[in-house]
Amino acid sequence: QSVLTQPPSVSGAPGQRVTISCTGSSSNIGTKANVHWYQQLPGSAPKLLIYAGINRPSGVPDRFSGSKSGTSASLAISGLQAEDEADYYCQSYDTALNDYVFGTGTKVTVL
Amino acid sequence: EVQLVQSGAEVRKPGESLKISCEGGEYNFATSWIAWVRQMPGKGLESMGIIYPGDSETRYSPSFQGRVTISVDTSISAAYVQWSSLQVSDTATYYCARAGCRGATCYGSQSYYMDVWGKGTTVTVSS
Repeated sequence: QSVLTQPPSVSGAPGQRVTISCTGSSSNIGTKANVHWYQQLPGSAPKLLIYAGINRPSGVPDRFSGSKSGTSASLAISGLQAEDEADYYCQSYDTALNDYVFGTGTKVTVL
Repeated sequence: EVQLVQSGAEVRKPGESLKISCEGGEYNFATSWIAWVRQMPGKGLESMGIIYPGDSETRYSPSFQGRVTISVDTSISAAYVQWSSLQVSDTATYYCARAGCRGATCYGSQSYYMDVWGKGTTVTVSS
């Protein structure tokens, strides 16, 4: 059972903006440990999307943005496209568990 | 291009042993941590542990301590996960990934993220 909670699913029409929340606690997101986001397309390996809360690796469109407040973080996808249909996971480090932890995952559906 | 190439799919019976591999290419394998991540069928991602090839320092996730062995062979830039006695519940896809952080946002290992992933090795355990 993950210590980082995400909504099971979110959906939106093409062009819309959707956000995915990642709720943690004072032992993970609420610490200096950063929050990172991954995209997993169907049948593929995960891919780093956002690191250290707000940074995009080279090649990731600026439609993807991250934020963090207190013990929660969010991933926003603006200008939603069909190719964005995937599972999205947040990840951090939990100081109580001494372990890297992933969120429960969110499936994004483009209507 | 930095890449991690994983070994092919495996089918085993309960009680059998197994070792899967992950070979790094186009970067200094010895100086970057390698993480192993499990994904059971239809489920989310779980951290198994990380290893530093330079000195083989290994940190296991509590759920996997004692159940798997993570190792490296820096002479061929490879990392491994092995099981001595597989269970049906080990059926999953296993990913290796390069783990680390850089810049002002790096506060040590607690800040690590996984920036390069292998394609995964599917392990099926069935009688």
